[in-house]
Amino acid sequence: GAVVSQHPSWVICKSGTSVKIECRSLDFQATTMFWYRQFPKQSLMLMATSNEGSKATYEQGVEKDKFLINHASLTLSTLTVTSAHPEDSSFYICSASELAGAVGRETQYFGPGTRLLVL
Amino acid sequence: RKEVEQDPGPFNVPEGATVAFNCTYSNSASQSFFWYRQDCRKEPKLLMSVYSSGNEDGRFTAQLNRASQYISLLIRDSKLSDSATYLCVVGHNDMRFGAGTRLTVKP
Repeated sequence: GAVVSQHPSWVICKSGTSVKIECRSLDFQATTMFWYRQFPKQSLMLMATSNEGSKATYEQGVEKDKFLINHASLTLSTLTVTSAHPEDSSFYICSASELAGAVGRETQYFGPGTRLLVL
Repeated sequence: RKEVEQDPGPFNVPEGATVAFNCTYSNSASQSFFWYRQDCRKEPKLLMSVYSSGNEDGRFTAQLNRASQYISLLIRDSKLSDSATYLCVVGHNDMRFGAGTRLTVKP
């Protein structure tokens, strides 16, 4: 299956710093990538949809100025958590869509996730 | 009403048991349906897609009922290694996740 990598896998930082997370599709081109956040014992929550070459679409309640998304190429999307605070500590997962046949039947492949701990 | 709803469980079953999960969705225009498996502190991994005609992969069977807007996952002869959280995912223009159903298979 398709492989998606994420870097870094762990981040521990001080409150107020910015953290950049990279998501790469290694063996396929992804016009769309998704960023999720998952708090302990909760489901994945979609934060934003990232399209190559255009602005990301953010879900309601997600601050676009705090969570900056850049989809620079068909294989790379980055999420920057600006001025991180302890409440931003979470598991951030990206996924990339690989079109499999008909439109609307995309399969998502997930990166391994990034654990962010803000002290 | 949530867009995708699942019974959170937990489901505790003995090895060899058959267990079934259901997932309901609210958007009748949804076009793609998947079951993902998520192990503790790991990312979700695709278990199987769900097609209109239903599909089977070994001990796993997935079915779609568009009229009632739900999908199901059946696991036969459950193994200890099946213990995980099973996420229902429904897609239209983007993917929406259920909260997941936790399954524990005991010896």
